[in-house]
Amino acid sequence: AQSVTQLGSHVSVSEGALVLLRCNYSSSVPPYLFWYVQYPNQGLQLLLKYTSAATLVKGINGFEAEFKKSETSFHLTKPSAHMSDAAEYFCAVSDGSNDYKLSFGAGTTVTVRA
Amino acid sequence: NAGVTQTPKFQVLKTGQSMTLQCAQDMNHEYMSWYRQDPGMGLRLIHYSVGAGITDQGEVPNGYNVSRSTTEDFPLRLLSAAPSQTSVYFCASYGIGDNYGYTFGSGTRLTVV
Repeated sequence: AQSVTQLGSHVSVSEGALVLLRCNYSSSVPPYLFWYVQYPNQGLQLLLKYTSAATLVKGINGFEAEFKKSETSFHLTKPSAHMSDAAEYFCAVSDGSNDYKLSFGAGTTVTVRA
Repeated sequence: NAGVTQTPKFQVLKTGQSMTLQCAQDMNHEYMSWYRQDPGMGLRLIHYSVGAGITDQGEVPNGYNVSRSTTEDFPLRLLSAAPSQTSVYFCASYGIGDNYGYTFGSGTRLTVV
């Protein structure tokens, strides 16, 4: 069974600073990994996904994530935070044979300081 | 606009009442799921479907029923509402291909009193 751990329930960054959100997974089979963003009172929107192609994945809004098998990690980064990045971010994992069954982390709320 | 439509957006129920949360998608996706979102717990899978006529339980299925008579619709039924079912419910559909990943509805905020 897959599981996801997101380190840090809240992250506060200054506008223009690096955003780093940590995600570690456990999976008995090669995983598919996802990052989703949720703005207040909205559903989840896919930021990016890893499906066993390139280990560095680029997503929307300037975000990217790197799959590191040796560390079982899939951390999300953005070089320069913008006020519009304030949201909740979820890491999710599925295994390749049942890729429609996602397991989500608890989420990390990002606040951006002016 | 193409996507996943959930109704209602808000609902208050009394303990013991039943209701159905509606979900429809117009993308011809085979896979659909229901999740509940609770603070500090992320999203947890309630039920899912891999096609019309096929459903299965997820992580937290107790107190909920689903059916999938058509590709488009995947309603979630609460049989006898309990305060523990107060949550935000998301329906999602999944498509394979370039747009790999789930498309989520905007959610139903349910309060059981």
